[in-house]
Amino acid sequence: GQQVMQIPQYQHVQEGEDFTTYCNSSTTLSNIQWYKQRPGGHPVFLIQLVKSGEVKKQKRLTFQFGEAKKNSSLHITATQTTDVGTYFCAGPTSDTGTASKLTFGTGTRLQVTL
Amino acid sequence: DTEVTQTPKHLVMGMTNKKSLKCEQHMGHRAMYWYKQKAKKPPELMFVYSYEKLSINESVPSRFSPECPNSSLLNLHLHALQPEDSALYLCASSQDLGWTDTQYFGPGTRLTVL
Repeated sequence: GQQVMQIPQYQHVQEGEDFTTYCNSSTTLSNIQWYKQRPGGHPVFLIQLVKSGEVKKQKRLTFQFGEAKKNSSLHITATQTTDVGTYFCAGPTSDTGTASKLTFGTGTRLQVTL
Repeated sequence: DTEVTQTPKHLVMGMTNKKSLKCEQHMGHRAMYWYKQKAKKPPELMFVYSYEKLSINESVPSRFSPECPNSSLLNLHLHALQPEDSALYLCASSQDLGWTDTQYFGPGTRLTVL
């Protein structure tokens, strides 16, 4: 079945430093979605990328979808303590060709200290 | 209203107990999901309902029994659970089961099986 891996597994940065997490799928994806889960919280949808090579920005967050639609990245510029959490990428898959389900990546846990 | 609610927030049960988890959404979404999440792991899909019918069962043991009484409600009935079933149980909903439909997660029920 489809596998979605993320690196690094964990990163600890000082506030103000940049952070990047990489997501790699074993299969081509129709789109990639990114979620953030704060400690003790639940996954919250951040963004969806659909087109090959697409780049989207949300304030200090930059999301990129690879040309082959098998990888993606999330880059945070000048991290803040509010960025703490686990970032998951997720790609839809289907066993039946119709109904889709999300396969989540392994996640990257970000810790930010002052 | 983009909220998915879940009750209870916490649940402690013995291996012989029967309990139920409840999930509700009022966004008019036609697809609802149950996920299980262990600490430091991504959410794992358990069940998917589409238009109140079970669409996907990810080979979940029969001690977990889902139910969708109407388009806004989703239950998960628990019986004879094992300690290894202790986890965060997340409910989610999406507009439909399309490839680009994003999922909205509830806050989860943290389950402990003694």
